[in-house]
Amino acid sequence: AQSVTQLDSHVSVSEGTPVLLRCNYSSSYSPSLFWYVQHPNKGLQLLLKYTSAATLVKGINGFEAEFKKSETSFHLTKPSAHMSDAAEYFCVVSEEGNTDKLIFGTGTRLQVFP
Amino acid sequence: DGGITQSPKYLFRKEGQNVTLSCEQNLNHDAMYWYRQDPGQGLRLIYYSQIVNDFQKGDIAEGYSVSREKKESFPLTVTSAQKNPTAFYLCASSISGLGANNEQFFGPGTRLTVL
Repeated sequence: AQSVTQLDSHVSVSEGTPVLLRCNYSSSYSPSLFWYVQHPNKGLQLLLKYTSAATLVKGINGFEAEFKKSETSFHLTKPSAHMSDAAEYFCVVSEEGNTDKLIFGTGTRLQVFP
Repeated sequence: DGGITQSPKYLFRKEGQNVTLSCEQNLNHDAMYWYRQDPGQGLRLIYYSQIVNDFQKGDIAEGYSVSREKKESFPLTVTSAQKNPTAFYLCASSISGLGANNEQFFGPGTRLTVL
């Protein structure tokens, strides 16, 4: 069965420093992978998605992620954090055999300090 | 504007009462979803519907019911059988079917508190 593991429940960075949010997935096939962001008491917004095209995926707000099949990873990065990046981030994988179903990680809360 | 609306934003109910959460979309999407979000647990799927007049149970369907009479609407009823209904509820929609790349679009959520 598919699953995603977000390796850090909390990440803290200073404004202007790089961001790394780690995600490993488990899947017996080549999945679709997503990163979503959620600001407090809001819905989720798609940051980026991987669907078997380029392995380096660029998203909104300067975020990008690299699909590494050998490491079963899909880590999210940004070169320079901004205060507005403080939010919860979810790594998500599609379910094999039912592409309408998504499986969510437990989330990583990103704090950005001035 | 195209999007998904959920109402109300905040909802308070007494224990033992049924309550219905509204979700409407004007994106012409076939598939709609209900998720429950609790702190530290990510999103868990309650019910989903891939087409009008059809829906399937998700991972935590007990104590909930849904209907899908119209493409645009997918209301969720939290019944008195749901043992711990206080949570943040999120509705989503997507283009359904193979090759649709299954990106889901989310509404703003409803925070339900049972007193």
